[in-house]
Amino acid sequence: EDQVTQSPEALRLQEGESSSLNCSYTVSGLRGLFWYRQDPGKGPEFLFTLYSAGEEKEKERLKATLTKKESFLHITAPKPEDSATYLCAVGSNSGYALNFGKGTSLLVTP
Amino acid sequence: DSGVTQTPKHLITATGQRVTLRCSPRSGDLSVYWYQQSLDQGLQFLIQYYNGEERAKGNILERFSAQQFPDLHSELNLSSLELGDSALYFCASSGYESSGNTIYFGEGSWLTVV
Repeated sequence: EDQVTQSPEALRLQEGESSSLNCSYTVSGLRGLFWYRQDPGKGPEFLFTLYSAGEEKEKERLKATLTKKESFLHITAPKPEDSATYLCAVGSNSGYALNFGKGTSLLVTP
Repeated sequence: DSGVTQTPKHLITATGQRVTLRCSPRSGDLSVYWYQQSLDQGLQFLIQYYNGEERAKGNILERFSAQQFPDLHSELNLSSLELGDSALYFCASSGYESSGNTIYFGEGSWLTVV
């Protein structure tokens, strides 16, 4: 069975303090690793898809990387508006739907 | 705006009642997914339809059912509601059938069972 574990559960950063969020996964044949951002009471918003180890993608202050066992979401010089829950999900050969981790709740203070 | 539309946004209902949640996928998307999100469980996959046919089932209770209509919109029916069914219910859509493709979420339907 696919497993997705995100750490830490919660992270508090000062504005400008860079850090990384971790997503560890165990799947039977990775089809894609997905990152979403979710604001309170809103639907998850798509950020990135990664398909193979070594792949990297960037968007503004966010950069996602992928290895064979985990993915990192690096946040460079975060701003308060980056505060949200970041969700990681995997698609695999074992099913049709994405399997989500429980997320990392990020708070960036001024 | 993801292009996925869900109604209603909020509803409050009593235990034992039945409700229907509606989802219109993004234009051209054939796959519709339903997820449930509660504070302690995170996003849990319930069911997927592709072009009108059921494709995959996750942790969906027997009291819950869904369907996808010829115009591709979908409905999730929740019956004999219990307090524990209170959650955010999300619909997502994709242009593809398999799990290697991005899915786009609606804003969700908040269900409160009292």
